[in-house]
Amino acid sequence: GDSVTQMEGPVTLSEEAFLTINCTYTATGYPSLFWYVQYPGEGLQLLLKATKADDKGSNKGFEATYRKETTSFHLEKGSVQVSDSAVYFCALRTNTNAGKSTFGDGTTLTVKP
Amino acid sequence: EAQVTQNPRYLITVTGKKLTVTCSQNMNHEYMSWYRQDPGLGLRQIYYSMNVEVTDKGDVPEGYKVSRKEKRNFPLILESPSPNQTSLYFCASSDGQFNTGELFFGEGSRLTVL
Repeated sequence: GDSVTQMEGPVTLSEEAFLTINCTYTATGYPSLFWYVQYPGEGLQLLLKATKADDKGSNKGFEATYRKETTSFHLEKGSVQVSDSAVYFCALRTNTNAGKSTFGDGTTLTVKP
Repeated sequence: EAQVTQNPRYLITVTGKKLTVTCSQNMNHEYMSWYRQDPGLGLRQIYYSMNVEVTDKGDVPEGYKVSRKEKRNFPLILESPSPNQTSLYFCASSDGQFNTGELFFGEGSRLTVL
């Protein structure tokens, strides 16, 4: 079946540090890939997505590139802020079973001033 | 405002007492889904619905029921709750671009079963 493996957390960084959260996947079909963010006490919201190989999703200074050859979708940001403290989830949906959505375990990021 | 609304947001109940968590979306989405979030386990899909009167099991459907009689509503029913169903539950919806469309989530319902 499909699966998503995320870098284990929690991750603690100082403000303005560089962020990478690794995400790799296995999928039986052709997946679309997503990063969702969950701020404390809230539901998940889409951060960025990519729907085909070599696409780069970007939003709010975050970026991730769909790498089919390495089955990866790593999340990066050049300079994190305290307001980026949240839980980040990598997820996929495939064309062969569009009703199913598979999430990673989530990575908790804390940014200290 | 486009949104997914869940109720109740918080609930404490006892083992065996039937309960329903409602979910409603105002975006005319065909697809709706339920998830539970547990520490260290990420989000796991319980049930999903591709359209009215069409529902399918996700990865952890045991102990849950759903129905989709109207496009906007997708209630989650726990016929006989047990303590292992204590969790944070999320409802989500998505438009017709099924595998490429983003999920829109509700704010969550925290359920405690004593």
